Amino acid sequence: GEEVAQTPKHLVRGEGQKAKLYCAPIKGHSYVFWYQQVLKNEFKFLISFQNENVFDETGMPKERFSAKCLPNSPCSLEIQATKLEDSAVYFCASTRGLAENIQYFGAGTRLSVL
Amino acid sequence: RKEVEQDPGPFNVPEGATVAFNCTYSNSASQSFFWYRQDCRKEPKLLMSVYSSGNEDGRFTAQLNRASQYISLLIRDSKLSDSATYLCVVIFGTGNQFYFGTGTSLTVIP
Repeated sequence: GEEVAQTPKHLVRGEGQKAKLYCAPIKGHSYVFWYQQVLKNEFKFLISFQNENVFDETGMPKERFSAKCLPNSPCSLEIQATKLEDSAVYFCASTRGLAENIQYFGAGTRLSVL
Repeated sequence: RKEVEQDPGPFNVPEGATVAFNCTYSNSASQSFFWYRQDCRKEPKLLMSVYSSGNEDGRFTAQLNRASQYISLLIRDSKLSDSATYLCVVIFGTGNQFYFGTGTSLTVIP
């Protein structure tokens, strides 16, 4: 597609429940990035993929968070046993390659953990 | 120290005013610089890339000072539609991940 597509737009979970977020990058883009935006505009990098391979996972919390990009499927970010502090907007971005480093963002998924 | 620092504002300016935002970055090996705009918790959208020679796009001018590790954005003749949060973004390292400033809030008042 011509834009990064993220679903769902809003996700509400009770503490301890699982949350799964999806991202389809722009067609032809090889790199996918996940960011978490909490209050006061703080963006935190989580993980990036080059096609289906993890490229950089230095920002991923060691527990509860996992992500995948499988061929012919949207990428996914999964949070097991959500906590209140996981409440945030999760943005996905894609870029064609490392040389073209402008990232295009999806509309985000707002996760509310109650 | 945060990798990218911005004055959070808020900046409240009248229509037609000129306003400037500043941003500093800590990693001298940073290689790419951008200004993104974010409206009311929507997705960040690219406003402009920032080059060493400085660049201009209509009413917007961006400057990079590598020696001082400093980036600026100048908006001339402010419009109501310029009201948004302006995010300074820096890339360093091989991962191409974005390092964001906390954003500067601008409100243009009629």
